[in-house]
Amino acid sequence: GAVVSQHPSWVICKSGTSVKIECRSLDFQATTMFWYRQFPKQSLMLMATSNEGSKATYEQGVEKDKFLINHASLTLSTLTVTSAHPEDSSFYICSVLKDTGANVLTFGAGSRLTVL
Amino acid sequence: AQRVTQPEKLLSVFKGAPVELKCNYSYSGSPELFWYVQYSRQRLQLLLRHISRESIKGFTADLNKGETSFHLKKPFAQEEDSAMYYCALKASSYKLIFGSGTRLLVRP
Repeated sequence: GAVVSQHPSWVICKSGTSVKIECRSLDFQATTMFWYRQFPKQSLMLMATSNEGSKATYEQGVEKDKFLINHASLTLSTLTVTSAHPEDSSFYICSVLKDTGANVLTFGAGSRLTVL
Repeated sequence: AQRVTQPEKLLSVFKGAPVELKCNYSYSGSPELFWYVQYSRQRLQLLLRHISRESIKGFTADLNKGETSFHLKKPFAQEEDSAMYYCALKASSYKLIFGSGTRLLVRP
């Protein structure tokens, strides 16, 4: 399957600052990547679909101005949490769909954000 | 509404005992269902999907449309099966809806 790398794996920031999380597809050119969010002891919630060369598609209830997604190349998508607040503290996970026929996602290891 | 329900947060069994992780779904169309697993300190990965009707690491799952279920089963649990298991439903295009997960603990 595809190899997906996320960076940083964890980050602590002050309230009001912005944090950028990178998701790289190391061995596959991904036109589409997905960003999920996971609260402690809860399920993964799809935040947005990142499309290479175009605007991301956000799920209902996800603030696009709060969570900026950029997919400038076929191997890199970034998620920027702007003006972070403690309630944004969460585990952010990206994934890549390599085999469209099988609908199988390959996940990154996730990035844990803690906002103080 | 599209929904995946995993009623058990924790399932604890002894090694060698049978395991059944429950998953029920709500979907108006023809469902595609998956089981993903996350071992300790590892990333989420695909375990199996109902379309392929395969057995992976001794686990099987049968789609029961009448009961809207996709329970994950293994006849004899091993300690290395201890992990977090997520049932997922393909809702549209590439969108997956995940259940809340069940932590399986296999005791020696």
